[in-house]
Amino acid sequence: GAVVSQHPSWVICKSGTSVKIECRSLDFQATTMFWYRQFPKQSLMLMATSNEGSKATYEQGVEKDKFLINHASLTLSTLTVTSAHPEDSSFYICSALIWDRGRPPYEQYFGPGTRLTVT
Amino acid sequence: EDQVTQSPEALRLQEGESSSLNCSYTVSGLRGLFWYRQDPGKGPEFLFTLYSAGEEKEKERLKATLTKKESFLHITAPKPEDSATYLCAVQFHTTSGTYKYIFGTGTRLKVLA
Repeated sequence: GAVVSQHPSWVICKSGTSVKIECRSLDFQATTMFWYRQFPKQSLMLMATSNEGSKATYEQGVEKDKFLINHASLTLSTLTVTSAHPEDSSFYICSALIWDRGRPPYEQYFGPGTRLTVT
Repeated sequence: EDQVTQSPEALRLQEGESSSLNCSYTVSGLRGLFWYRQDPGKGPEFLFTLYSAGEEKEKERLKATLTKKESFLHITAPKPEDSATYLCAVQFHTTSGTYKYIFGTGTRLKVLA
């Protein structure tokens, strides 16, 4: 159980265009999802916390108008990179939180990641 | 300052050569410590959750332990397929009443045949 999928797994887009990445929890409901960015040989950098039915919470330094997050259902969160530029090229990973124990620790299960290349 | 530190950064082992990876943390209000395995170009794969000091979890050649200041991931008789980056993360309760996660920078393990 606890499977998280991401789509697409890789995408190439031209500078100035927008790209949408989907994150789905396949066998559980996820009221909270996280979006991370990872550079080569570096650890995960949290970009934002996505809560179903409410606005996402962005980490300091992350442009919320550039990285639009929508969590419209209990199984789907989307990240849209708007007006993408080459510096946005990266590996984007989402995770979904399992709350069903009702008390911490709450485990994060990760998607397989999306490789974005902006040309 | 809330912090998670993993050591070593990189580790090369011969097949069958057992070793341990370390994850030390300085957070208050710890609610859980997690170990993940990440292969290149993929998302982290969940391995273990540890909650209280003295707790141990095992899975195949891996065994995770937890003290009040650190966690160890012991790898017994590793095989080349155990080569990956191992990440640890902590969940803790903040003074503002929310839960927060901090990830370590990982240990890159290479097991040679």
